[in-house]
Amino acid sequence: KQEVTQIPAALSVPEGENLVLNCSFTDSAIYNLQWFRQDPGKGLTSLLLIQSSQREQTSGRLNASLDKSSGRSTLYIAASQPGDSATYLCAVRQTGANNLFFGTGTRLTVIP
Amino acid sequence: GAVVSQHPSRVICKSGTSVKIECRSLDFQATTMFWYRQFPKQSLMLMATSNEGSKATYEQGVEKDKFLINHASLTLSTLTVTSAHPEDSSFYICSTTSAFTYEQYFGPGTRLTVT
Repeated sequence: KQEVTQIPAALSVPEGENLVLNCSFTDSAIYNLQWFRQDPGKGLTSLLLIQSSQREQTSGRLNASLDKSSGRSTLYIAASQPGDSATYLCAVRQTGANNLFFGTGTRLTVIP
Repeated sequence: GAVVSQHPSRVICKSGTSVKIECRSLDFQATTMFWYRQFPKQSLMLMATSNEGSKATYEQGVEKDKFLINHASLTLSTLTVTSAHPEDSSFYICSTTSAFTYEQYFGPGTRLTVT
């Protein structure tokens, strides 16, 4: 069964710093990988979607990479802002499956 | 704009009553919708897959008679928590998947509190 792990569980950085969130998964037979952010008491907002054939995706200050063979993905956030404070979740979709397997999340706090 | 909506956003009910949560796909027709629940400071747990026009598929350990799912149209799925108990208090989130990109979109969630 696919297991998704995110490290660190929590991260606190000063405003303006660049940071990297890590996600690892045990089964490399994935269809795609998605990064989400979740604000307290809210639903999930999709940040980036990487198909299994892609190596990275960029959106604004966010860059996500995917190394399927090693079972890893990273989310890079440049020039962090207090508004980036949230929990970040990665999730993988198995090939042939409908649902997502979620990581446990990284709670990010950006200090002004 | 929002791709998925949920109603209500927050509900408080008494133990023993039933609560219905609606999930609507706004941007595209969804033959499949997913229902998750999330406990405080935990990740999402898939409860069931809702299929338009047929029975839902429940994950192991999820009581299908307690969590009734109806997916009567391509844009609406409902989750009914029957005979709710305080341990059913949780955050319930639905989602849909784009048939083209397989990107998954989530609703804003429903906070259920059973007193």
